Amino acid sequence: SQQGEEDPQALSIQEGENATMNCSYKTSINNLQWYRQNSGRGLVHLILIRSNEREKHSGRLRVTLDTSKKSSSLLITASRAADTASYFCATEGTGANNLFFGTGTRLTVIP
Amino acid sequence: DAGVIQSPRHEVTEMGQEVTLRCKPISGHDYLFWYRQTMMRGLELLIYFNNNVPIDDSGMPEDRFSAKMPNASFSTLKIQPSEPRDSAVYFCASSLNSDTQYFGPGTRLTVL
Repeated sequence: SQQGEEDPQALSIQEGENATMNCSYKTSINNLQWYRQNSGRGLVHLILIRSNEREKHSGRLRVTLDTSKKSSSLLITASRAADTASYFCATEGTGANNLFFGTGTRLTVIP
Repeated sequence: DAGVIQSPRHEVTEMGQEVTLRCKPISGHDYLFWYRQTMMRGLELLIYFNNNVPIDDSGMPEDRFSAKMPNASFSTLKIQPSEPRDSAVYFCASSLNSDTQYFGPGTRLTVL
């Protein structure tokens, strides 16, 4: 399966701390994306990193990609209570037009 | 733009009944995806369309499930007959050139 797997499954931190989530996948990819899902809502796209990129930033988000290890990490700096959500990585395989979603990391930021 | 629109938001039905879920993608998007999300199985891709044509339906669990996209602004996912194990949240998403996907709010289906 091409499905990504996030690690950890759940993470609880204090407001102001940084949160790091990891994703591993199995096959060659065109790009890797991170999505966020608040409870009872649809997924929202956060950031996309292409296979020829190693690092990307967007506001308080930093994503890294290591294609040799088939892994990615999402760092949220200076976390806020509003960051509480589930975070999913999704991979688009080479030659594919669809995404395979991981199992998600449930992040809780305690005020 | 209103984003991806799904209806109904909630559906409760009895086993054996037909269920039809509806989706209106973002105008101009050429890809449409149907997903199912459960606690046990996570987010599963059921089927996706490109320019209204079904491309990959390998994720459709059984013949009881069918999906159509009669035009660029409308798609349906039908379950007939429905079973309790079909209870889940069903998401529709659309994208342009298969890049970033934009998700609808989902339809929470409960089959009694």
